[in-house]
Amino acid sequence: NAGVTQTPKFRVLKTGQSMTLLCAQDMNHEYMYWYRQDPGMGLRLIHYSVGEGTTAKGEVPDGYNVSRLKKQNFLLGLESAAPSQTSVYFCASINGPAVPQTPLHFGNGTRLTVT
Amino acid sequence: DQQVKQNSPSLSVQEGRISILNCDYTNSMFDYFLWYKKYPAEGPTFLISISSIKDKNEDGRFTVFLNKSAKHLSLHIVPSQPGDSAVYFCAALDGGSQGNLIFGKGTKLSVKP
Repeated sequence: NAGVTQTPKFRVLKTGQSMTLLCAQDMNHEYMYWYRQDPGMGLRLIHYSVGEGTTAKGEVPDGYNVSRLKKQNFLLGLESAAPSQTSVYFCASINGPAVPQTPLHFGNGTRLTVT
Repeated sequence: DQQVKQNSPSLSVQEGRISILNCDYTNSMFDYFLWYKKYPAEGPTFLISISSIKDKNEDGRFTVFLNKSAKHLSLHIVPSQPGDSAVYFCAALDGGSQGNLIFGKGTKLSVKP
């Protein structure tokens, strides 16, 4: 049971390049989230999904797109990377709305640098 | 404007002593508060939570206190151990927003042997 797996673990992009971050979970969770973590900024929600085929914007969605074509996968896309998108990206999942009894399961992160 | 604030970026404590991590919030509609712990190169993991209708929750060495009138909560770790060295995130749950968590900036705890 792998839990939440993020690929790749590291990536360096040049400004203007595009890429897709993949998040896969094997827990049959309905809800999935993409966060970014920046120094001194904590975790900020980019986009989330409450089920297959659905997506919604979080706190900082600009410059990102997401897709949830399969229940187990949640993709985060950067169409034209900018240095401001240099960050560590975390995916998380849960079997329903986040409640204290069933906390979010996080992946180990993707460290992205945009030069 | 930040809804969940952790004003201390770092804290250093001696092994065996108490660690107190603080968190303030602005939204009185938050239902629950959670603490997450994060080691380098790993994702955050859930530590302990508290409902807004309680003022204390305890789990082993970890206790969370909630003061609703002051909109303040704190995490106490007693006794502190070197393995507790990590970044601790305070998070609040807004039940009316698809259950999304709102995180503070985190406090880096260093427990020295």
